[in-house]
Amino acid sequence: GAVVSQHPSRVICKSGTSVKIECRSLDFQATTMFWYRQFPKQSLMLMATSNEGSKATYEQGVEKDKFLINHASLTLSTLTVTSAHPEDSSFYICSAPGRAAEAFFGQGTRLTVV
Amino acid sequence: GEDVEQSLFLSVREGDSSVINCTYTDSSSTYLYWYKQEPGAGLQLLTYIFSNMDMKQDQRLTVLLNKKDKHLSLRIADTQTGDSAIYFCAEVGAGGYNKLIFGAGTRLAVHP
Repeated sequence: GAVVSQHPSRVICKSGTSVKIECRSLDFQATTMFWYRQFPKQSLMLMATSNEGSKATYEQGVEKDKFLINHASLTLSTLTVTSAHPEDSSFYICSAPGRAAEAFFGQGTRLTVV
Repeated sequence: GEDVEQSLFLSVREGDSSVINCTYTDSSSTYLYWYKQEPGAGLQLLTYIFSNMDMKQDQRLTVLLNKKDKHLSLRIADTQTGDSAIYFCAEVGAGGYNKLIFGAGTRLAVHP
């Protein structure tokens, strides 16, 4: 099946720094990708929809200046957490639509801000 | 609004069947999904069912959909220790395909 690769799988950064997370569709093109956030023992919450060649669409309550999304090509979307704080520590997962009704997820990135 | 609810925990004995239940609120959902998440990993699509179907079976997995009651279940036959994971039910949100609304997840623990 289709593969979505997310990198890095784990990152620790200092407060105030920025972290970039990459999401790649390896064997298919994705004009749309979705970014989710998962808190411990909780479900996935959709943060934003990444659109190739245009601006991302953010869900209510998500700061677009804080979570910068770039979808520069048909196979790559990036999420940059800017000026990270400990409360940004979470598990971030991307997904890309496949054929029909399928959605393929990356492996996830565990971000820890110290 | 859109909401998906699941029980949080299920414990079964190895070899028994597991049944994980889910209720959803959006009657216009066209697809409903079951995903599996192992510790520290991303989500693996197990199966999905179209809203005009009542049942779908795929090897050890059986999905039942009661559209009237907005109830979805996942049955795992002959549950193995490798099935221990968190199982998420999801429905398609208003944004269309693949903008998914997830339940909180059911943690399945399989013991000898």
